[in-house]
Amino acid sequence: GQQVMQIPQYQHVQEGEDFTTYCNSSTTLSNIQWYKQRPGGHPVFLIQLVKSGEVKKQKRLTFQFGEAKKNSSLHITATQTTDVGTYFCAGRLGGGSQGNLIFGKGTKLSVKP
Amino acid sequence: DAGVTQSPTHLIKTRGQHVTLRCSPISGHKSVSWYQQVLGQGPQFIFQYYEKEERGRGNFPDRFSARQFPNYSSELNVNALLLGDSALYLCASRGAETQYFGPGTRLLVL
Repeated sequence: GQQVMQIPQYQHVQEGEDFTTYCNSSTTLSNIQWYKQRPGGHPVFLIQLVKSGEVKKQKRLTFQFGEAKKNSSLHITATQTTDVGTYFCAGRLGGGSQGNLIFGKGTKLSVKP
Repeated sequence: DAGVTQSPTHLIKTRGQHVTLRCSPISGHKSVSWYQQVLGQGPQFIFQYYEKEERGRGNFPDRFSARQFPNYSSELNVNALLLGDSALYLCASRGAETQYFGPGTRLLVL
């Protein structure tokens, strides 16, 4: 079946270091979304990418969507302890904005002060 | 404005029992989706409803069913509970681009 793979599963960084998580799909996606889930919490929407090659920035966060619309990345510059949590990508398959969302398994980020 | 609300917050059931989980979307949102999140995994899509009609169904057995009411609130029903149904059940309300998750119902099946 369709899968969205996410790596790494865990990432431990020192505060101030950069962090990147990667997402790959076996099939072309209509769009991709990124979420952050704090321990004990629920996923919180960060951003949606729709266009091939799209790059979006939110302060220290940079999101990219691959040219083939099969992969994506989230990069955090100079991590802070508030960045701790699990970051999920979720790809939407076909049907434009109506297709089902397939979540990756997430990358759990821990930040050492 | 209130966000997505879900009830109950926690639930303990035994194998074979039935459970009903409830969700109220953000005011004005007509689309509701249900997800199951097992510990350590990403959310898995169960159902999507829009304007009271099922618009999508994930790879879950027929023991799982849902419906949406005229006020756009929704219920997720699970029959004949199994131990493996223990998970966080998330409801999401959808705006133009953004999907807003509720706090979830944590179900434990003993």
